[in-house]
Amino acid sequence: EAEVAQSPRYKITEKSQAVAFWCDPISGHATLYWYRQILGQGPELLVQFQDESVVDDSQLPKDRFSAERLKGVDSTLKIQPAELGDSAMYLCASSSLIGSNSYEQYFGPGTRLTVT
Amino acid sequence: SQKIEQNSEALNIQEGKTATLTCNYTNYSPAYLQWYRQDPGRGPVFLLLIRENEKEKRKERLKVTFDTTLKQSLFHITASQPADSATYLCALLDYGQNFVFGPGTRLSVLP
Repeated sequence: EAEVAQSPRYKITEKSQAVAFWCDPISGHATLYWYRQILGQGPELLVQFQDESVVDDSQLPKDRFSAERLKGVDSTLKIQPAELGDSAMYLCASSSLIGSNSYEQYFGPGTRLTVT
Repeated sequence: SQKIEQNSEALNIQEGKTATLTCNYTNYSPAYLQWYRQDPGRGPVFLLLIRENEKEKRKERLKVTFDTTLKQSLFHITASQPADSATYLCALLDYGQNFVFGPGTRLSVLP
């Protein structure tokens, strides 16, 4: 069964350092999402791509976060510089909204980021 | 501002009983409402979707209701099992295909 891949699974970095996360969605899924989930809370949308275009990045802290999906397939989320408050789980999800009856999002395993 | 609440942070029930989880929202007009299951350290997994014009949806031991007047969805798990222990998230989706997740309810089914 096709899955969303994310790497790394765990990342420990010092504050002020740069960190990057990678996501490979399910093949054929045009829509890709990056979420941040703080322990005990629900996922918060950071950015949504439709193919290679950003359709929603209203909650992305653009002074330090950036995201790209250059060829409309895999995607990278970067934080520079990292702050202590960025410690969280970063989840990637993909969806094929066209022709979908359920608008189901398929989530990857996430990257657990700890900033020290 | 938009707000989604889920009944309680944690819910404990006895095996075999029906678990009922609540999702309430304000200042939002969702076209669809979804429920996801999330196990510790893993990404959420889709369970069910219900549309704004549907009152109830069932899937095996799961039942979801959606009342747009009350701005509330109820999620039921009948004949609950310890394997149903997880965090359950509701997510609202508008016609612009924008998702908003609730904070989740952590369900523990005790043997």
